[in-house]
Amino acid sequence: KQEVTQIPAALSVPEGENLVLNCSFTDSAIYNLQWFRQDPGKGLTSLLLIQSSQREQTSGRLNASLDKSSGRSTLYIAASQPGDSATYLCAATLMEYGNKLVFGAGTILRVKS
Amino acid sequence: KAGVTQTPRYLIKTRGQQVTLSCSPISGHRSVSWYQQTPGQGLQFLFEYFSETQRNKGNFPGRFSGRQFSNSRSEMNVSTLELGDSALYLCASSFGTGLTGELFFGEGSRLTVL
Repeated sequence: KQEVTQIPAALSVPEGENLVLNCSFTDSAIYNLQWFRQDPGKGLTSLLLIQSSQREQTSGRLNASLDKSSGRSTLYIAASQPGDSATYLCAATLMEYGNKLVFGAGTILRVKS
Repeated sequence: KAGVTQTPRYLIKTRGQQVTLSCSPISGHRSVSWYQQTPGQGLQFLFEYFSETQRNKGNFPGRFSGRQFSNSRSEMNVSTLELGDSALYLCASSFGTGLTGELFFGEGSRLTVL
């Protein structure tokens, strides 16, 4: 059973397009959910952290929402740029799994110029 | 301010050997957590330390161990290396515990086991 699932697995879009990445989790009892980006061969860069008491967070062209009742989070990227090309990972701290941080498999994003 | 520093960045070992990886957190951060990343399993939680105490542990065999020092620096050790231990090992630090704090990751230590 996959505790945290990300859809789609890969996405290719033209520059300037708005896009949505999806993350779903199996346990509504979460402490927080965090979105990261990872460039090839690199570590993870934190994008947005949403606490369980929050509904959304915004940073620049990025907006992340959290819906605990449906077990879903979305990352919205506005006006995508080639520099946004990376793997995007969501991670949830789930009470059901001993309060451990559980990662999704990621969405590989390619923005074409 | 300086980010999370992991050393060494790359290393090659043979089966049966042991390895120690080091992680220096962002100044002021008291929590350090470790993760293993492989193409097949993705990112998996290894353990978390806060103020020198292990707070949480993932589903890894006892060959994987760690510790945290009084200055918050952390080390992880893998004994009796197996081919399947080849991976990128990432550490992350946060000001609070992993339950509430934003995580900041290092660049990772890439281990190859031959």
